Amino acid sequence: SAVISQKPSRDICQRGTSLTIQCQVDSQVTMMFWYRQQPGQSLTLIATANQGSEATYESGFVIDKFPISRPNLTFSTLTVSNMSPEDSSIYLCSVEKTGLGLSFGSGTRLTVV
Amino acid sequence: TQLLEQSPQFLSIQEGENLTVYCNSSSVFSSLQWYRQEPGEGPVLLVTVVTGGEVKKLKRLTFQFGDARKDSSLHITAAQPGDTGLYLCAGLGNAGGTSYGKLTFGQGTILTVHP
Repeated sequence: SAVISQKPSRDICQRGTSLTIQCQVDSQVTMMFWYRQQPGQSLTLIATANQGSEATYESGFVIDKFPISRPNLTFSTLTVSNMSPEDSSIYLCSVEKTGLGLSFGSGTRLTVV
Repeated sequence: TQLLEQSPQFLSIQEGENLTVYCNSSSVFSSLQWYRQEPGEGPVLLVTVVTGGEVKKLKRLTFQFGDARKDSSLHITAAQPGDTGLYLCAGLGNAGGTSYGKLTFGQGTILTVHP
């Protein structure tokens, strides 16, 4: 299964600033997925990142707030822009495991102060 | 919008006890997954069930998919402290498409097994 490296693992940021999270996969994948998870809670899909096209955002998430890049088949970034304390969460990237489910990175724990 | 109701939300038991986590929906899912997540890590896939009525066993863990493919359960026998973690069920919709990125996740069950 794919090995996913995500960084940073955690960060504390000032409100109004932006943070870019990087996700590197050890194999080429068509789609990469970005999730948000409140600590100890469920996962909410933010967007699907496809190489060569704009990301597809889920309801409640917009490109201006969460711009995504997907420059190649092994890498993606998610930026959390103009952060507020409500953006404090765990952000996870994931890829599909050949018809079985998802593999996840270890997550980025973001705290906005 | 498909919803998965997972219960209980919290479970605190002693080592050696048995437990069951439930995942219910009014919607039909083409498949359902169970994940386990430890602090500071991403969720790890435990099992995928596809057929209604299917039962899968993974050591002390037994997973069942309901006959109507609307519900699932996870049963742990003789729980160990190493079973502690967040358990998440996730369903793939029956409306077409096969991308697992469109999974619907349950709210999660935080399991603590005390030595």
